[in-house]
Amino acid sequence: AQKITQTQPGMFVQEKEAVTLDCTYDTSDPSYGLFWYKQPSSGEMIFLIYQGSYDQQNATEGRYSLNFQKARKSANLVISASQLGDSAMYFCAMREGRLIQGAQKLVFGQGTRLTINP
Amino acid sequence: ETGVTQSPTHLIKTRGQQVTLRCSSQSGHNTVSWYQQALGQGPQFIFQYYREEENGRGNFPPRFSGLQFPNYSSELNVNALELDDSALYLCASSWGKDGTDTQYFGPGTRLTVL
Repeated sequence: AQKITQTQPGMFVQEKEAVTLDCTYDTSDPSYGLFWYKQPSSGEMIFLIYQGSYDQQNATEGRYSLNFQKARKSANLVISASQLGDSAMYFCAMREGRLIQGAQKLVFGQGTRLTINP
Repeated sequence: ETGVTQSPTHLIKTRGQQVTLRCSSQSGHNTVSWYQQALGQGPQFIFQYYREEENGRGNFPPRFSGLQFPNYSSELNVNALELDDSALYLCASSWGKDGTDTQYFGPGTRLTVL
């Protein structure tokens, strides 16, 4: 079963606008963590932001914020004041609290390709 | 930059050959995870190493194997290469056996199997 769903294959946004990238997840584990990573064309996965399932506040890191709606099982990434350098693939990932054979693996979505237009 | 390095950057092999990919973890991290990312897909978990022992494995056949060394660097070995093994291989380092710390990724090794 798909555990992480990113429904937007591609997004096109004007520079300086805010953008929301959607992510829904599926888990029965009460303890889990949600991550967003950015992957430029170079291939490196760059960590952006983390939200724990028990965190009361939505996570923020500079221009990045995570709109965490636990009841809806959604964890959307919001980028404020987008810049040309934000153009990249963005992946939502989940780490469940249960140990899978001793390891807590990350499960990734299919990604959203964000293009910022000047 | 994360401080996680991988080598080589690119690699071309033919079907049936064997390949070794290398990863140096970030300073202070003792856990290395390996992921395979096929073109247009999200990364898939291969396995994780903690203090030189395999700590968990994803749905990959035994011809995918690994090692972790005392300095916490790691190798991914793939035997009997198949065309479908062509992918970007990413390693990620973190701290702690249960991997509750954030995983930081290296730049990846792009493997092409002809």
